[in-house]
Amino acid sequence: AQSVTQLGSHVSVSEGALVLLRCNYSSSVPPYLFWYVQYPNQGLQLLLKYTSAATLVKGINGFEAEFKKSETSFHLTKPSAHMSDAAEYFCAVRSGGYQKVTFGTGTKLQVIP
Amino acid sequence: NAGVTQTPKFRILKIGQSMTLQCTQDMNHNYMYWYRQDPGMGLKLIYYSVGAGITDKGEVPNGYNVSRSTTEDFPLRLELAAPSQTSVYFCASSQESRDEQYFGPGTRLTVT
Repeated sequence: AQSVTQLGSHVSVSEGALVLLRCNYSSSVPPYLFWYVQYPNQGLQLLLKYTSAATLVKGINGFEAEFKKSETSFHLTKPSAHMSDAAEYFCAVRSGGYQKVTFGTGTKLQVIP
Repeated sequence: NAGVTQTPKFRILKIGQSMTLQCTQDMNHNYMYWYRQDPGMGLKLIYYSVGAGITDKGEVPNGYNVSRSTTEDFPLRLELAAPSQTSVYFCASSQESRDEQYFGPGTRLTVT
């Protein structure tokens, strides 16, 4: 079975502050892990993807995520938040042998000026 | 290269009516997906397809039907619309299941 849990449905940060969005997964085999971003009234876009090549994955717009097998986590970070980062972020997992991806329930990021 | 396109963008249906949501991709992807998104619930998979002529149910298939006669098109059919089907519907595609999914802009459906 595969599942993903995103802690915190809403996160607020000040502009310039660290962004940390949490994602924990459950998978019986090494997974593929994804972070997607959704801006208002748009579809989802890929931020970054973990495919076992490297545990620290860099994505677009200055975001990165670290795969920690011992903690079954794939948290998303950005050193300094911009107003344009305000969006909803989704973590997703796809385990080996599965043809489907399971999405988390999303975290809405608010950036305060 | 338009990516994934969906029509219509918005639709209001009366209870019991039927409609088809259209989805087309021009990337020659094998996999196509239909999701619904409800506030606070994330994305729920309705149906998916691994290639032309092959479809399978996702988590929430009841009340929906799909077909995949070509690689490009993956329409979603609602036969007897119910208020519970009020949602935003997204179509997506990927080359393989482990690959990035490309999403369309969505269809906002209201059933009253």
